[in-house]
Amino acid sequence: DAKTTQPTSMDCAEGRAANLPCNHSTISGNEYVYWYRQIHSQGPQYIIHGLKNNETNEMASLIITEDRKSSTLILPHATLRDTAVYYCIVRDNDYKLSFGAGTTVTVRA
Amino acid sequence: GAGVSQSPSNKVTEKGKDVELRCDPISGHTALYWYRQRLGQGLEFLIYFQGNSAPDKSGLPSDRFSAERTGESVSTLTIQRTQQEDSAVYLCASSLAFGLAGGGEQETQYFGPGTRLLVL
Repeated sequence: DAKTTQPTSMDCAEGRAANLPCNHSTISGNEYVYWYRQIHSQGPQYIIHGLKNNETNEMASLIITEDRKSSTLILPHATLRDTAVYYCIVRDNDYKLSFGAGTTVTVRA
Repeated sequence: GAGVSQSPSNKVTEKGKDVELRCDPISGHTALYWYRQRLGQGLEFLIYFQGNSAPDKSGLPSDRFSAERTGESVSTLTIQRTQQEDSAVYLCASSLAFGLAGGGEQETQYFGPGTRLLVL
């Protein structure tokens, strides 16, 4: 069963905010929402994670709805180097990470 | 600080030869994970280490694959008698801890750049 659903692809203009949605309607109380991205030919890069509260770090912000059934990753000022596949996953203590198809984000000049 | 490093970055070998892939985790990280990613596909879990022990080797594809970790730092993944189907990117990740409350900061996995293995 897919634990998360994400749009297949999205485009974003350079310098604008990129808002990446993720649905996780079956998330359980002890599962975290994690975001990774994978730039072509590179290893996955951790972006951010959260449980209930919104989170912000130097890379992005994570907005989690009150019912925790969906979330949005926000890249505040997208650059060409942010072009990548973005993966939203939910996990508790399952150490075997598994990525779905993710969202292919293309940032255009 | 320094992230996870892997070497070599690329490896081309002939079918039947043995290869060794190396992973240097983030300093102080007790848990280390190996994954495989075939072209255009998702992550395939291979093995993890808690300290120097490997409680879960269930993902190793065959007995040609083995891994070890010494001194709670460097890990080596060895593939003996390589086959063409072993061609993939081999990824290493590390986390500060393992088996705590579950899924939180200390169990966040940070990945290295990977080793691209091509078996001819």
